[in-house]
Amino acid sequence: DSGVTQTPKHLITATGQRVTLRCSPRSGDLSVYWYQQSLDQGLQFLIQYYNGEERAKGNILERFSAQQFPDLHSELNLSSLELGDSALYFCASSPRDTGYEQYFGPGTRLTVT
Amino acid sequence: QKEVEQDPGPLSVPEGAIVSLNCTYSNSAFQYFMWYRQYSRKGPELLMYTYSSGNKEDGRFTAQVDKSSKYISLFIRDSQPSDSATYLCAMSAVIHKLIFGTGTLLAVQP
Repeated sequence: DSGVTQTPKHLITATGQRVTLRCSPRSGDLSVYWYQQSLDQGLQFLIQYYNGEERAKGNILERFSAQQFPDLHSELNLSSLELGDSALYFCASSPRDTGYEQYFGPGTRLTVT
Repeated sequence: QKEVEQDPGPLSVPEGAIVSLNCTYSNSAFQYFMWYRQYSRKGPELLMYTYSSGNKEDGRFTAQVDKSSKYISLFIRDSQPSDSATYLCAMSAVIHKLIFGTGTLLAVQP
């Protein structure tokens, strides 16, 4: 158990809908990272927050947004969902602003029908 | 061409064998190198990380980085059935942004 929690574990929704994924980092970690893992693309970095501020952006679609709250938990919002958005979404946390030591949560499996 | 290439396997070995997992990369700016283990339907678990070139050992695991060849390796000694998982390499230049390999599926047969 990494100490990172993610909810929900599974999410099934329809195309065009909007969902929110939640992540609580390990105690004391200030950085939160979001990743998407699909069979054809592998693990893709989406976005990083450090102590409430956006630090880095990866291949995140404009339909997706995230934020980190004062209690350090983070939410990833996915809107106008498409079939291709079906994937595992992982959150990772780190004690540092630098990204080489990241601890992953168990993931949220999103299925868009 | 992908920035990070990793043989997807599957790689099947008998229990007790030495396993060698490898990644190649094209970006000479990469300085941080990591190995993650991912069991089916679980999140990746950090195994080891190294900075720049050289070797690092942790129990049965040894990570090697050869920046001149743009090649990194993870060796697992005395492999166990519990080592059966997907192994992901990851690396970074700008440190905020990890680039992952696609993973190698390892099966250790009892």
